Order: sequence, then structure tokens, then C-alpha cells
Amino acid sequence: DTGVSQNPRHKITKRGQNVTFRCDPISEHNRLYWYRQTLGQGPEFLTYFQNEAQLEKSRLLSDRFSAERPKGSFSTLEIQRTEQGDSAMYLCASSLFIVRRDNEQFFGPGTRLTVL
Amino acid sequence: AQSVTQPDIHITVSEGASLELRCNYSYGATPYLFWYVQSPGQGLQLLLKYFSGDTLVQGIKGFEAEFKRSQSSFNLRKPSVHWSDAAEYFCAVGPILTGGGNKLTFGTGTQLKVEL
Repeated sequence: DTGVSQNPRHKITKRGQNVTFRCDPISEHNRLYWYRQTLGQGPEFLTYFQNEAQLEKSRLLSDRFSAERPKGSFSTLEIQRTEQGDSAMYLCASSLFIVRRDNEQFFGPGTRLTVL
Repeated sequence: AQSVTQPDIHITVSEGASLELRCNYSYGATPYLFWYVQSPGQGLQLLLKYFSGDTLVQGIKGFEAEFKRSQSSFNLRKPSVHWSDAAEYFCAVGPILTGGGNKLTFGTGTQLKVEL
């Protein structure tokens, strides 16, 4: 399967613990996006990268959140000192960005985080 | 700031009946418009998108949507619903200049139930 993959698919943790999620984009895609989806809501943008550069971060991305894409391929999203309000589905997407072209985002299956 | 409104949280239709899901957006200019579908435990799948040109766009699985600039709407339609269409549907907007290549703003979704 050459789609976007995310690991783990599910994560249960206790409040105060750190968690890290991984996203592997479609191999030739230069842009990678993170979204968060809470129950009953649509996905909300968190951040995105072009290659290894983080180009934009949402206000939703507090100091406890950090995302990296060190070699311009896979990305990790870390949440430090988790809180119950962090419980959500974390979605990753990727796209092949070309200026003035159609740049569809392809989404992975998500990582569901439950903070107890 | 851009926003997307999906006024119907839940919709129930009988199999074989027609379907229309509503989407209204607020944006500074003509945006890039999308409809995604999400089945339980799955990521988001793109149904269709509007960039420019013909305001009636055709998508996968027999779906179509019509862009109405005067009403700031992008409603999704299907003439005959199948039981497998039961899922959650999200309308989204993105900047037209990047062709959807940076952050997307999603509505809160419409949950579709299909009665056999």
C-alpha cells in the first residue's frame, strides 16, 4: 500500500505522560500536514511542512506540542505532559505541492489518542 | 478568517432516495472547495473538489456538487443513495492560490444514516 500511514493507530496514556506519533507520507510528496479531530468536530489544522521546513503552526499547537520532519520524509508529532483535553484523533496528510497546480491532500487513517 | 458551516449534523435517508448535504462557507475570495467522506476507523477520502470552471462538479461514487457564488454554498448531491454511503461527510475550504496545498478549514460534518 503506497498511501499515507500512521503509527500507532491507537494510543492510551495516563495524564502527564509524553506520547509520540509517526506519519509516513506518500513517498514523493513534499508537503506533510497534521490535523486534530475531536469527537463531533471536523479536522482542525495543526501544522504543515514543506520538505523538512515547518511553514505554519496553528494557535492550537501549544508549547507542549512539537512536530518534526527531520529528513523531509516521515514526521513525528510529540505531545508532552498530556492532558485529558488532548484526547482526539490525530490525522496526517500529504501532498505533492506544485505552484499553481492542483495539490490534493491525501489523508492517513489517523492515530486515536485517549488520555486517562 | 475563513469558516465552513454544515447546518445538518445528522441526516437519515432511505436507500434509493436522493441526497443533498448543505455546505456554506465564509472566505475572503473564491476558495478551493472540497467534500471528503470518512467511514468509521478510516481516514478522509476526497469525493470531489472545485477549483474553477464549471460550477457543477462530478466526483467519485456518483456524487456531485454545485458551487453557487451568490449563496456562498457548495452543496453535495447524489440522486440515489446506497447503504454503503452511510458515513460522515465533511466540507472544506482552502486557499485557491495554493490549490489546496496548505491548510484546509473543515466544517463540523454531517453524519449520514441510510435506512434499508
